[in-house]
Amino acid sequence: DAGVIQSPRHEVTEMGQEVTLRCKPISGHNSLFWYRQTMMRGLELLIYFNNNVPIDDSGMPEDRFSAKMPNASFSTLKIQPSEPRDSAVYFCASRPTGNQPQHFGDGTRLSIL
Amino acid sequence: AQRVTQPEKLLSVFKGAPVELKCNYSYSGSPELFWYVQYSRQRLQLLLRHISRESIKGFTADLNKGETSFHLKKPFAQEEDSAMYYCAGEGGKLIFGQGTTLQVKP
Repeated sequence: DAGVIQSPRHEVTEMGQEVTLRCKPISGHNSLFWYRQTMMRGLELLIYFNNNVPIDDSGMPEDRFSAKMPNASFSTLKIQPSEPRDSAVYFCASRPTGNQPQHFGDGTRLSIL
Repeated sequence: AQRVTQPEKLLSVFKGAPVELKCNYSYSGSPELFWYVQYSRQRLQLLLRHISRESIKGFTADLNKGETSFHLKKPFAQEEDSAMYYCAGEGGKLIFGQGTTLQVKP
């Protein structure tokens, strides 16, 4: 298995632009998680899905952020409009059912100018 | 509220010295606890989980329910251990501590 696949690996864009981050979880994993990592705040859980259904989005910073999981093999995290303070590394992770360890993707390094 | 606390942002030791990365948790019930490691600019990788009671790369972690701690230990640090270490607790969703950067100097 190739593991959790995220794209793009790097994204640089100007503030105000729409940004879409993509994630392909490991096949057969039922839960998917989006995290944001910054120097100041560490690793923050933004949202997670169980069986494609959003369970907890309390970590989503504001309405500019949205996430979808249209099927078991794909999820997106969208920021519209983007702002410089959104600059961070965004990780996606997936896991099977139960309290199994999460498997992380390589992350998307996002820079908003 | 569920919480995982890592009190040290940075731990700097010399090669060969013992290492202890602290982690305390606040959970109702019995959470499952993990240590993840992130080497420079790489993805997070699972290092240990408390139910396994195993040793990975010389690291061990023991759950102390009385002190609500899950400290990560290694008797002799190596330079390649330099990384960011996250303690995490599972209780429906994974909650991470703030992370501790371990710097092992030659």
